[in-house]
Amino acid sequence: KAGVTQTPRYLIKTRGQQVTLSCSPISGHRSVSWYQQTPGQGLQFLFEYFSETQRNKGNFPGRFSGRQFSNSRSEMNVSTLELGDSALYLCASSLRSATEFSGNTIYFGEGSWLTVV
Amino acid sequence: GEDVEQSLFLSVREGDSSVINCTYTDSSSTYLYWYKQEPGAGLQLLTYIFSNMDMKQDQRLTVLLNKKDKHLSLRIADTQTGDSAIYFCAEDWGYQKVTFGTGTKLQVIP
Repeated sequence: KAGVTQTPRYLIKTRGQQVTLSCSPISGHRSVSWYQQTPGQGLQFLFEYFSETQRNKGNFPGRFSGRQFSNSRSEMNVSTLELGDSALYLCASSLRSATEFSGNTIYFGEGSWLTVV
Repeated sequence: GEDVEQSLFLSVREGDSSVINCTYTDSSSTYLYWYKQEPGAGLQLLTYIFSNMDMKQDQRLTVLLNKKDKHLSLRIADTQTGDSAIYFCAEDWGYQKVTFGTGTKLQVIP
């Protein structure tokens, strides 16, 4: 079956603009999470959604937001872009449901490379 | 704390074994993972271990967990050039919040 799909793969934005990234999870996966990867900070958790509800959030400013649709597809948005937002944004999906640890592993997409100039 | 630490770099010769180490700080994590990232790609799940296990073997991969010392290792037997990548260990906090290590870049010398 198809893996986690992220679009766009590459994009360049200007400081002050906003950006929306999209993620389609593996079919049947209802849990979607987002991570930011930078050379300096490594991989950092942004937030996780399940059934259109945000269940967990990392330590990022309010400029970073997300949402999940009824078909489990998710989008994340970054407003008022800063140079430091340049990163690889990874989306992951899982079968994990209401239980905290269900043993279902997390599958990542190829990521969206964002460059802010 | 949520720090997961790894050495930054490892170089081995093709055919040798590679051992990548990781230390984590929270023993309440239930699952610990190893992911592989090749250049320009996302993260590929290699293997995971449940916290009540000491060891897990999967073909060329062996994971060892020392919960007392909060130490996790990944051994790759008969390392190949295709194994060259960055390897991340990660601990699972639940609700899909996973804390990743800094990553170890594995270089395999032919």
